[in-house]
Amino acid sequence: DQQVKQNSPSLSVQEGRISILNCDYTNSMFDYFLWYKKYPAEGPTFLISISSIKDKNEDGRFTVFLNKSAKHLSLHIVPSQPGDSAVYFCACHKNDYKLSFGAGTTVTVRA
Amino acid sequence: DTAVSQTPKYLVTQMGNDKSIKCEQNLGHDTMYWYKQDSKKFLKIMFSYNNKELIINETVPNRFSPKSPDKAHLNLHINSLELGDSAVYFCASSQQGDQPQHFGDGTRLSIL
Repeated sequence: DQQVKQNSPSLSVQEGRISILNCDYTNSMFDYFLWYKKYPAEGPTFLISISSIKDKNEDGRFTVFLNKSAKHLSLHIVPSQPGDSAVYFCACHKNDYKLSFGAGTTVTVRA
Repeated sequence: DTAVSQTPKYLVTQMGNDKSIKCEQNLGHDTMYWYKQDSKKFLKIMFSYNNKELIINETVPNRFSPKSPDKAHLNLHINSLELGDSAVYFCASSQQGDQPQHFGDGTRLSIL
């Protein structure tokens, strides 16, 4: 039973524009949320995270928004750059620290 | 100066064989993990060790046995390999359970 869902398998965006990636979860016990970025033949790399006590966290071009009542989080990348082309995974955990991952969204940034 | 390194990167073997995947981290982290990425691309936790002690053991066949000789190493041994074991296996580590996990580049296991 998949507790973390990324319903958009792919996203194409023009360089300089905003990329918005979405993630929904079903387990209300999740209290920590992360985004990972993955290039082909490499492992996932941590990008940004947010705890359940916040609704927004920003790091440079990356901002994560959390809507706990809707069990929804999103990642905004602005402006998008060619190097942002990768697979982005949403991940969540409870206090047991077991990460549950979504299936990923492949982002392609067009020049 | 790779942070989390796995060997081998590729492993092709016959059904029924026994194989091991090694993982080492030089980050000084206390906790290490093994994940399996299946054909649908989901990453699923298999095991986690904290300071050589097993703390997470998901529903994984007994053919899979993790071994942690010290807190910088977590190896995965698989007995009697089956076709369904074909996947990419990722090792990861973190300072504490609530810190972001750092992943290795994965081991692609193919069973013939």
